[in-house]
Amino acid sequence: GEDVEQSLFLSVREGDSSVINCTYTDSSSTYLYWYKQEPGAGLQLLTYIFSNMDMKQDQRLTVLLNKKDKHLSLRIADTQTGDSAIYFCAEGYQAGTALIFGKGTTLSVSS
Amino acid sequence: IAGITQAPTSQILAAGRRMTLRCTQDMRHNAMYWYRQDLGLGLRLIHYSNTAGTTGKGEVPDGYSVSRANTDDFPLTLASAVPSQTSVYFCASSDAGTSGSDTQYFGPGTRLTVL
Repeated sequence: GEDVEQSLFLSVREGDSSVINCTYTDSSSTYLYWYKQEPGAGLQLLTYIFSNMDMKQDQRLTVLLNKKDKHLSLRIADTQTGDSAIYFCAEGYQAGTALIFGKGTTLSVSS
Repeated sequence: IAGITQAPTSQILAAGRRMTLRCTQDMRHNAMYWYRQDLGLGLRLIHYSNTAGTTGKGEVPDGYSVSRANTDDFPLTLASAVPSQTSVYFCASSDAGTSGSDTQYFGPGTRLTVL
């Protein structure tokens, strides 16, 4: 069955880069997503990458996809305290079906 | 444009009571979803609907029912609430099949406590 794994916690200092990693098992995944959840709020889409891409960059965010190893990463450059949140990796493989989410990585940014 | 709204924001409910969580989207998305979020378990799909008039079961459907009478609304009903249904419930929608990415957009959530 499908499974998405993430490390649970990451702690960085303000100004450093953060790298959040994710592995998935379903090689037929079409899109891979990163969502951000701030305390008490819903999930906010950060970015997504199509499975035939290796990299996508969007301002401070860089997504790297290694399809051979089924590994996805999210790099946040110049991490700020406002980036403190839970980050969810999710995979989707067929339009109209639910996403499979990882359990989330809690990013803590200290000043 | 509001996106997705959920009501109530939070609710404390006695076990055995019936409860309907409301979800409305104004993006004319064809697909809608209900997830529950529990500490240590991430988000798990309860029910989904690919289009008005159709629904399907997700990973944890027991104790819940849904209906999709129109495009905009997707209520989730707990017929007889139990304490294990204490959770944060998120509704989501997507423009599945037409926008390509099937990106799901989430509501703000409903925090439900069953005593």
